[in-house]
Amino acid sequence: GQQLNQSPQSMFIQEGEDVSMNCTSSSIFNTWLWYKQEPGEGPVLLIALYKAGELTSNGRLTAQFGITRKDSFLNISASIPSDVGIYFCAGQLGANNDMRFGAGTRLTVKP
Amino acid sequence: ETGVTQTPRHLVMGMTNKKSLKCEQHLGHNAMYWYKQSAKKPLELMFVYNFKEQTENNSVPSRFSPECPNSSHLFLHLHTLQPEDSALYLCASSQGGGLAKNIQYFGAGTRLSVL
Repeated sequence: GQQLNQSPQSMFIQEGEDVSMNCTSSSIFNTWLWYKQEPGEGPVLLIALYKAGELTSNGRLTAQFGITRKDSFLNISASIPSDVGIYFCAGQLGANNDMRFGAGTRLTVKP
Repeated sequence: ETGVTQTPRHLVMGMTNKKSLKCEQHLGHNAMYWYKQSAKKPLELMFVYNFKEQTENNSVPSRFSPECPNSSHLFLHLHTLQPEDSALYLCASSQGGGLAKNIQYFGAGTRLSVL
């Protein structure tokens, strides 16, 4: 199936630092999504990308849909303690309901 | 609040028990999903319902039995579970249809422990 490789698995950073994580696949996706999951909660959508090369921002978050359609990255600028959580990428192939998820990047921000 | 409500939030059950998980969405969506989330693993899709019809069953053991009485409600009936079934069970819903409408919104999950 379409497996997603998400890296890094975990990150420990200092407050104020920038963060970058990415997702790659051996298969093409037509939609890339980034979710954040905080302890005791379900994943919450951060950014959705629909076109190859698309660059979209949501506050301090920026995500890009790779031009090969096989990868995406998420950047967080000037991290703050509430950025702590697990960030998941997800790829959607077609107009059906299939979505594939990465294993997540666990972010820890030290004040 | 994502518009998808799951109950209970926590459940502890023995291997011989029968219990049910409930999911309700207030988003007017037509598709609903059950996922299993285990530590350090990608979300595993279990079941998909579109307009109350099951459209996907990802080789899930029969001890998990879904039920979708209408587009707003989804249940997961559990019986004779195994300890390895302990996980966070997430429900999601989406509008269905074309790509732009298929973003999934998740509930907070039910943390299940099987003893």
